[in-house]
Amino acid sequence: SQQGEEDPQALSIQEGENATMNCSYKTSINNLQWYRQNSGRGLVHLILIRSNEREKHSGRLRVTLDTSKKSSSLLITASRAADTASYFCATPEGNTGFQKLVFGTGTRLLVSP
Amino acid sequence: GAVVSQHPSWVICKSGTSVKIECRSLDFQATTMFWYRQFPKQSLMLMATSNEGSKATYEQGVEKDKFLINHASLTLSTLTVTSAHPEDSSFYICSARVNPFGDLPQHFGDGTRLSIL
Repeated sequence: SQQGEEDPQALSIQEGENATMNCSYKTSINNLQWYRQNSGRGLVHLILIRSNEREKHSGRLRVTLDTSKKSSSLLITASRAADTASYFCATPEGNTGFQKLVFGTGTRLLVSP
Repeated sequence: GAVVSQHPSWVICKSGTSVKIECRSLDFQATTMFWYRQFPKQSLMLMATSNEGSKATYEQGVEKDKFLINHASLTLSTLTVTSAHPEDSSFYICSARVNPFGDLPQHFGDGTRLSIL
């Protein structure tokens, strides 16, 4: 599988600051998804951005997608301590009849009060 | 909506025991369910994909006789770790999707932490 790379691997910021995480992938995609994982829990879907979209917003989250560079970014604005979690990008892999998600390496975000 | 329940959340057992983990979609029908394994501070590794009523598809390197997967209904998939050994200790997570395509989000259970003594 073509696992995506995320950077930074870890990010530590203060409450109120913005957090930016980047994801690079290797194959052509029809969409890219971002997920969040609190420690010891399952993943929660945040945003799905399609290949014909360049930017998408959801509350304090902003996702961009640059298919020419095979990269995406997740911006969390005005971060809160509750945003502390690991964030993963994921891309579908496989033929059109069936696709599975391949997850990136993840970014561990720590937001300090 | 789109709730996936995974049970149990924590298992501690002796080496040689078989352990069954259940994954249920509570408010939707899941044609496809996925089983992942996650090591500390690492990403998710897909172990296998199960489609209701058919045999699971295992990823390369995953022993299908070791990790038995059954997807008997549109709302339930089970993973059985047979004759578990300490090296099988890990965090196992299931997820479910309404269709086989990758254009919809996956919904995840809260994971099962398996500790083999």
